[in-house]
Amino acid sequence: DSGVTQTPKHLITATGQRVTLRCSPRSGDLSVYWYQQSLDQGLQFLIQYYNGEERAKGNILERFSAQQFPDLHSELNLSSLELGDSALYFCASSVTDGNTIYFGEGSWLTVV
Amino acid sequence: GNSVTQMEGPVTLSEEAFLTINCTYTATGYPSLFWYVQYPGEGLQLLLKATKADDKGSNKGFEATYRKETTSFHLEKGSVQVSDSAVYFCALSAPGRDDYKLSFGAGTTVTVRA
Repeated sequence: DSGVTQTPKHLITATGQRVTLRCSPRSGDLSVYWYQQSLDQGLQFLIQYYNGEERAKGNILERFSAQQFPDLHSELNLSSLELGDSALYFCASSVTDGNTIYFGEGSWLTVV
Repeated sequence: GNSVTQMEGPVTLSEEAFLTINCTYTATGYPSLFWYVQYPGEGLQLLLKATKADDKGSNKGFEATYRKETTSFHLEKGSVQVSDSAVYFCALSAPGRDDYKLSFGAGTTVTVRA
């Protein structure tokens, strides 16, 4: 158990819908990262937050957004969902920049 | 930019065989290097890491040595078990301009047969 908690574990939704994925980082970790794992794209970095502020942005679509709240939990919002958004979404956290990054078990999103 | 190249799979081995998964990297600065493992139906777990040249990371019988001269971080295990069947990802973190994200290789699927 890495200590990073993600909910929901599985989610099935229809095209055009909006979903929110939630992540609780390890206790004391200030940095939160979101990754997308799909069969054709592999593991893609989406976005990083550090202590509530956006730190780095990767291949995140404009239909996706994220935030980190004062209690350090984070949410990834996915809207206008398309079939191609079906993937495993990982949240990860680290104490601060440059420390080892620990991953949650992921949220499986299926868009039908 | 930063990138990781790891050997393509899938790799199929018999139990007690020797496993090597090659990983090379391109990075600016002084990266930290990692191996993560994903068991079937599970999330990513940190397997081992090395933060500077010539460091050796080890865990669960797996080892990898950070070779700066060859920009490599090959994963090895001397005697694999069926329970080692998983996807293995090489990754690097090369801090720069407030960016500490991990860059991953494509992953290598390893299947160990009894």
